[in-house]
Amino acid sequence: GAVVSQHPSWVICKSGTSVKIECRSLDFQATTMFWYRQFPKQSLMLMATSNEGSKATYEQGVEKDKFLINHASLTLSTLTVTSAHPEDSSFYICSAQKGYSYNEQFFGPGTRLTVL
Amino acid sequence: EDQVTQSPEALRLQEGESSSLNCSYTVSGLRGLFWYRQDPGKGPEFLFTLYSAGEEKEKERLKATLTKKESFLHITAPKPEDSATYLCAVQVEFSQGARDDKIIFGKGTRLHILP
Repeated sequence: GAVVSQHPSWVICKSGTSVKIECRSLDFQATTMFWYRQFPKQSLMLMATSNEGSKATYEQGVEKDKFLINHASLTLSTLTVTSAHPEDSSFYICSAQKGYSYNEQFFGPGTRLTVL
Repeated sequence: EDQVTQSPEALRLQEGESSSLNCSYTVSGLRGLFWYRQDPGKGPEFLFTLYSAGEEKEKERLKATLTKKESFLHITAPKPEDSATYLCAVQVEFSQGARDDKIIFGKGTRLHILP
């Protein structure tokens, strides 16, 4: 199989603090990882594409200084929400892709972020 | 503008009542179309990939089909455990290599199967 984990599964933080979310591919090496945000009853919105060893590519409208992405190894990518505000509260989901061809993505279970 | 539209937004069926979910797309170049199942508070779970018009894939009570404009997810004799949100996504060609492709998700269809 292809298993992707996320940690934490949920987090509550105060406004102004930073939160780090980890995404790991457990049984395969993922050269590409994706970060999505999903609001209630809405579609997944791609935030950024992360390739191991290189800078992430952010989608239009996503602040790269606010959502810091690090893809340090072939099995780990992290998303740090800096100076979080209530409007950043959302469900953050990562996915990992095998290789560079157009295979299906394997999604993590998601992280529910609530900013008070 | 590349777009993916799913219909209906929500669907309630009696157990055993077959139906179809629709995913229509308008994209510049389709590399592949994906169907996912998403349970509340969880990440999407992969179901199918379709690459070309005319292609069909089946898994248990689900069957996915693809034309040049849309895809259908047919559910036959559904059970309550099939209740979930079903997401459709398309991989859109950006350049010759797939590495720069874009993924666009539809908003999903919330399916509820009544026992």
